[in-house]
Amino acid sequence: QVQLVQSGGGVVQPGRSLRLSCAASGFTFSGYAMYWVRQAPGKGLDWVAAISYDGHKTFYADSVKDRFTISRDNSKNILYLQMKSLRPDDTAVYYCARNLSAFAVAASGYWGQGTLLTVSS
Amino acid sequence: EIVLTQSPGTLSLSPGGRATLSCRASQSLSSGYLAWYRQKPGQAPRLLIYGASSRATGIPDRFSGSGSGTDFTLTISRLEPEDFAVYYCQHYGSSSWTFGQGTKVEIK
Repeated sequence: QVQLVQSGGGVVQPGRSLRLSCAASGFTFSGYAMYWVRQAPGKGLDWVAAISYDGHKTFYADSVKDRFTISRDNSKNILYLQMKSLRPDDTAVYYCARNLSAFAVAASGYWGQGTLLTVSS
Repeated sequence: EIVLTQSPGTLSLSPGGRATLSCRASQSLSSGYLAWYRQKPGQAPRLLIYGASSRATGIPDRFSGSGSGTDFTLTISRLEPEDFAVYYCQHYGSSSWTFGQGTKVEIK
Protein backbone atom coordinates (compact mmCIF):
# COMPACT_ATOMS: atom_id res chain seq x y z
CA GLN A 1 0.00 0.00 0.00
CA VAL A 2 1.06 3.57 -0.61
CA GLN A 3 2.89 5.07 2.34
CA LEU A 4 4.40 8.51 2.79
CA VAL A 5 6.31 8.86 6.05
CA GLN A 6 7.51 12.32 6.95
CA SER A 7 10.33 13.46 9.18
CA GLY A 8 12.36 16.54 9.97
CA GLY A 9 10.01 18.97 11.66
CA GLY A 10 10.67 20.78 14.92
CA VAL A 11 11.41 24.17 16.42
CA VAL A 12 13.83 26.47 14.63
CA GLN A 13 14.84 30.08 15.10
CA PRO A 14 13.96 32.74 12.54
CA GLY A 15 16.53 33.00 9.78
CA ARG A 16 17.72 29.42 10.17
CA SER A 17 17.37 26.48 7.80
CA LEU A 18 15.72 23.08 8.01
CA ARG A 19 15.08 20.14 5.71
CA LEU A 20 11.93 18.05 5.65
CA SER A 21 11.88 14.54 4.25
CA CYS A 22 9.13 12.30 2.96
CA ALA A 23 9.97 8.61 2.50
CA ALA A 24 7.77 6.86 -0.03
CA SER A 25 6.94 3.18 -0.33
CA GLY A 26 4.37 0.89 -1.91
CA PHE A 27 4.53 2.42 -5.39
CA THR A 28 6.97 3.34 -8.14
CA PHE A 29 8.13 6.67 -6.74
CA SER A 30 9.86 7.76 -9.94
CA GLY A 31 6.57 7.78 -11.83
CA TYR A 32 4.69 10.39 -9.80
CA ALA A 33 4.78 14.12 -9.31
CA MET A 34 5.01 15.09 -5.66
CA TYR A 35 3.94 18.09 -3.62
CA TRP A 36 4.39 19.93 -0.36
CA VAL A 37 1.33 21.56 1.21
CA ARG A 38 1.27 23.40 4.52
CA GLN A 39 -1.34 24.42 7.04
CA ALA A 40 -0.74 27.18 9.56
CA PRO A 41 -2.35 26.64 12.97
CA GLY A 42 -6.11 27.01 12.66
CA LYS A 43 -5.89 27.96 8.99
CA GLY A 44 -6.57 26.37 5.63
CA LEU A 45 -4.41 24.41 3.22
CA ASP A 46 -1.70 26.25 1.32
CA TRP A 47 0.17 24.72 -1.62
CA VAL A 48 3.94 25.22 -1.22
CA ALA A 49 5.86 23.42 -3.96
CA ALA A 50 5.63 20.76 -6.65
CA ILE A 51 8.14 18.60 -8.48
CA SER A 52 7.76 16.53 -11.62
CA TYR A 53 8.19 12.78 -11.57
CA ASP A 54 11.76 13.04 -12.84
CA GLY A 55 12.74 16.09 -10.82
CA HIS A 56 13.37 18.19 -13.88
CA LYS A 57 10.55 20.65 -13.21
CA THR A 58 9.87 22.44 -9.96
CA PHE A 59 7.25 25.01 -9.01
CA TYR A 60 6.84 27.21 -5.96
CA ALA A 61 4.28 29.41 -4.28
CA ASP A 62 5.32 33.07 -4.33
CA SER A 63 5.52 33.06 -0.52
CA VAL A 64 8.40 30.56 -0.51
CA LYS A 65 10.11 31.20 -3.85
CA ASP A 66 13.86 31.71 -3.50
CA ARG A 67 13.76 30.40 0.11
CA PHE A 68 12.51 26.83 -0.27
CA THR A 69 13.81 24.11 -2.59
CA ILE A 70 11.90 20.95 -3.43
CA SER A 71 13.92 17.98 -4.62
CA ARG A 72 13.72 14.22 -4.86
CA ASP A 73 16.00 11.22 -4.87
CA ASN A 74 14.34 8.61 -7.06
CA SER A 75 17.02 6.06 -6.16
CA LYS A 76 16.11 6.34 -2.47
CA ASN A 77 12.38 7.08 -2.88
CA ILE A 78 12.61 10.26 -0.82
CA LEU A 79 11.12 13.71 -1.34
CA TYR A 80 12.74 16.71 0.30
CA LEU A 81 11.91 20.30 1.15
CA GLN A 82 14.95 22.40 1.98
CA MET A 83 13.90 25.57 3.75
CA LYS A 84 16.13 28.57 4.45
CA SER A 85 15.65 32.06 5.84
CA LEU A 86 12.74 30.74 7.84
CA ARG A 87 10.20 33.21 9.16
CA PRO A 88 7.57 32.95 11.92
CA ASP A 89 4.83 32.86 9.27
CA ASP A 90 6.35 29.63 7.94
CA THR A 91 5.07 27.96 11.12
CA ALA A 92 2.72 25.22 9.96
CA VAL A 93 2.09 21.53 9.62
CA TYR A 94 3.77 20.49 6.40
CA TYR A 95 2.32 17.62 4.36
CA CYS A 96 3.89 15.80 1.48
CA ALA A 97 1.48 14.45 -1.10
CA ARG A 98 1.57 12.22 -4.16
CA ASN A 99 -0.11 12.72 -7.48
CA LEU A 100 -3.11 10.47 -7.94
CA SER A 101 -1.97 9.27 -11.35
CA ALA A 102 1.42 8.53 -12.86
CA PHE A 103 2.81 10.80 -15.58
CA ALA A 104 -0.31 12.96 -15.63
CA VAL A 105 -1.85 16.12 -14.23
CA ALA A 106 -3.85 14.92 -11.26
CA ALA A 107 -5.08 15.71 -7.78
CA SER A 108 -3.17 14.75 -4.64
CA GLY A 109 -4.38 11.25 -3.95
CA TYR A 110 -2.13 10.28 -1.06
CA TRP A 111 -0.81 12.31 1.83
CA GLY A 112 1.83 11.97 4.48
CA GLN A 113 0.98 12.25 8.15
CA GLY A 114 2.23 15.81 8.40
CA THR A 115 5.10 17.29 10.37
CA LEU A 116 4.98 20.44 12.48
CA LEU A 117 7.48 23.21 11.90
CA THR A 118 7.58 25.99 14.46
CA VAL A 119 9.68 29.05 13.70
CA SER A 120 10.24 30.96 16.89
CA SER A 121 13.02 32.58 18.87
CA GLU B 1 -3.31 33.19 -10.55
CA ILE B 2 -6.61 31.39 -10.05
CA VAL B 3 -8.43 32.19 -6.80
CA LEU B 4 -10.98 29.76 -5.41
CA THR B 5 -13.76 31.08 -3.17
CA GLN B 6 -15.76 28.59 -1.13
CA SER B 7 -19.17 29.21 0.38
CA PRO B 8 -20.59 29.12 2.89
CA GLY B 9 -17.85 29.42 5.45
CA THR B 10 -19.77 27.22 7.89
CA LEU B 11 -22.69 24.90 7.28
CA SER B 12 -24.74 23.73 10.29
CA LEU B 13 -26.69 20.58 9.56
CA SER B 14 -28.08 17.50 11.26
CA PRO B 15 -26.87 13.92 10.72
CA GLY B 16 -28.75 12.46 7.78
CA GLY B 17 -29.11 15.89 6.21
CA ARG B 18 -27.96 17.04 2.81
CA ALA B 19 -24.94 19.33 2.39
CA THR B 20 -24.29 21.51 -0.63
CA LEU B 21 -20.89 23.19 -0.78
CA SER B 22 -19.86 25.71 -3.41
CA CYS B 23 -16.50 26.55 -4.95
CA ARG B 24 -16.18 29.45 -7.38
CA ALA B 25 -13.07 30.07 -9.47
CA SER B 26 -11.84 33.51 -10.50
CA GLN B 27 -11.41 32.26 -14.07
CA SER B 28 -12.69 29.34 -16.01
CA LEU B 29 -11.22 25.92 -15.22
CA SER B 30 -11.73 24.68 -18.73
CA SER B 31 -9.63 21.63 -17.96
CA GLY B 32 -11.99 20.54 -15.22
CA TYR B 33 -9.05 20.06 -12.88
CA LEU B 34 -11.01 20.60 -9.69
CA ALA B 35 -10.75 18.39 -6.61
CA TRP B 36 -12.48 18.20 -3.25
CA TYR B 37 -10.89 17.06 0.02
CA ARG B 38 -12.24 16.34 3.47
CA GLN B 39 -10.09 17.06 6.49
CA LYS B 40 -10.95 15.82 9.94
CA PRO B 41 -9.31 17.45 12.99
CA GLY B 42 -5.70 16.38 13.44
CA GLN B 43 -5.64 14.41 10.20
CA ALA B 44 -4.27 14.88 6.73
CA PRO B 45 -6.74 15.78 3.99
CA ARG B 46 -8.38 12.95 2.08
CA LEU B 47 -9.22 13.18 -1.60
CA LEU B 48 -12.94 12.80 -2.28
CA ILE B 49 -13.52 14.03 -5.83
CA TYR B 50 -11.20 14.76 -8.75
CA GLY B 51 -11.85 15.99 -12.25
CA ALA B 52 -14.84 17.88 -10.77
CA SER B 53 -17.05 14.79 -10.63
CA SER B 54 -15.06 11.54 -10.30
CA ARG B 55 -15.08 9.87 -6.90
CA ALA B 56 -11.73 8.73 -5.58
CA THR B 57 -11.21 5.08 -4.67
CA GLY B 58 -13.14 4.03 -1.59
CA ILE B 59 -15.30 7.16 -1.41
CA PRO B 60 -18.97 6.32 -0.82
CA ASP B 61 -21.60 7.37 -3.34
CA ARG B 62 -23.21 9.83 -0.94
CA PHE B 63 -20.46 12.19 -2.15
CA SER B 64 -20.94 13.72 -5.57
CA GLY B 65 -19.23 16.54 -7.43
CA SER B 66 -20.57 18.64 -10.24
CA GLY B 67 -19.93 21.83 -12.14
CA SER B 68 -17.79 23.30 -14.86
CA GLY B 69 -16.21 26.56 -15.89
CA THR B 70 -16.12 28.69 -12.76
CA ASP B 71 -18.80 27.09 -10.56
CA PHE B 72 -18.43 23.77 -8.82
CA THR B 73 -20.43 21.95 -6.16
CA LEU B 74 -19.83 19.16 -3.70
CA THR B 75 -22.98 17.45 -2.46
CA ILE B 76 -23.16 15.07 0.47
CA SER B 77 -26.54 13.40 0.24
CA ARG B 78 -26.85 11.97 3.77
CA LEU B 79 -24.45 13.25 6.39
CA GLU B 80 -22.74 10.59 8.47
CA PRO B 81 -20.97 11.45 11.76
CA GLU B 82 -17.55 11.30 10.07
CA ASP B 83 -18.63 13.89 7.51
CA PHE B 84 -18.64 16.71 10.04
CA ALA B 85 -15.29 18.16 9.05
CA VAL B 86 -13.71 20.84 6.87
CA TYR B 87 -13.89 20.58 3.09
CA TYR B 88 -11.50 22.17 0.62
CA CYS B 89 -11.70 22.56 -3.11
CA GLN B 90 -8.49 22.65 -5.11
CA HIS B 91 -7.51 23.56 -8.63
CA TYR B 92 -4.61 21.44 -9.82
CA GLY B 93 -2.75 22.00 -13.01
CA SER B 94 0.53 21.51 -14.80
CA SER B 95 2.12 24.50 -13.08
CA SER B 96 -0.33 25.93 -10.56
CA TRP B 97 -2.18 24.60 -7.59
CA THR B 98 -4.65 26.54 -5.44
CA PHE B 99 -6.90 25.70 -2.51
CA GLY B 100 -10.10 27.38 -1.48
CA GLN B 101 -10.31 28.67 2.07
CA GLY B 102 -12.51 25.79 3.24
CA THR B 103 -16.07 25.14 4.36
CA LYS B 104 -16.70 23.72 7.82
CA VAL B 105 -19.64 21.35 8.12
CA GLU B 106 -20.73 21.27 11.74
CA ILE B 107 -23.43 19.49 13.68
CA LYS B 108 -26.54 21.57 14.21
